[in-house]
Amino acid sequence: GAGVSQSPSNKVTEKGKDVELRCDPISGHTALYWYRQRLGQGLEFLIYFQGNSAPDKSGLPSDRFSAERTGESVSTLTIQRTQQEDSAVYLCASSLAPGHLNYGYTFGSGTRLTVV
Amino acid sequence: DAKTTQPTSMDCAEGRAANLPCNHSTISGNEYVYWYRQIHSQGPQYIIHGLKNNETNEMASLIITEDRKSSTLILPHATLRDTAVYYCIVRGGADGLTFGKGTHLIIQP
Repeated sequence: GAGVSQSPSNKVTEKGKDVELRCDPISGHTALYWYRQRLGQGLEFLIYFQGNSAPDKSGLPSDRFSAERTGESVSTLTIQRTQQEDSAVYLCASSLAPGHLNYGYTFGSGTRLTVV
Repeated sequence: DAKTTQPTSMDCAEGRAANLPCNHSTISGNEYVYWYRQIHSQGPQYIIHGLKNNETNEMASLIITEDRKSSTLILPHATLRDTAVYYCIVRGGADGLTFGKGTHLIIQP
């Protein structure tokens, strides 16, 4: 597609349930990033995938959070046993390989997660 | 550690040029300056980036001082749709983008 696609756009879940968020990056973009943005706050880095390298998981806030990426395509972010503090917009971005500094990121519209 | 410093908020009259400053006094030689903006309820949008030369595209101009310790993003003719949070980010090598709090630009009619 022309842009980064995220689904669902909105998700309401009960506390304690698991959720899966999906990101389809731009074709050919080898780098993929997940960010979280709580209401009224800035973007928090969560995890970064680059090609077949081991992902940079340094931003994941707890072991309830995990992410996978199939090759250089779709990525899923999974949150287990959701808590109310997980309520936020989860944003995905993709770009050409990071060595291509002369290029920006393209963000998706995000998934708004509400834990009730 | 914050790599950039931006004012929390700014106002600009519609039709005038909006000049958004950013300080990045610890920038190193291989780091680029990027600007993104985030309109309410949307994902961030890339605007422009540069290394040391001034840059211009259809959205904005980026003026980088000779010592590279600060830069200014210029929106030449601001419209109400330019109201957003503007992020100035310094990035080099394989680093990801680290977003600070940005500047909330409000365009007044």
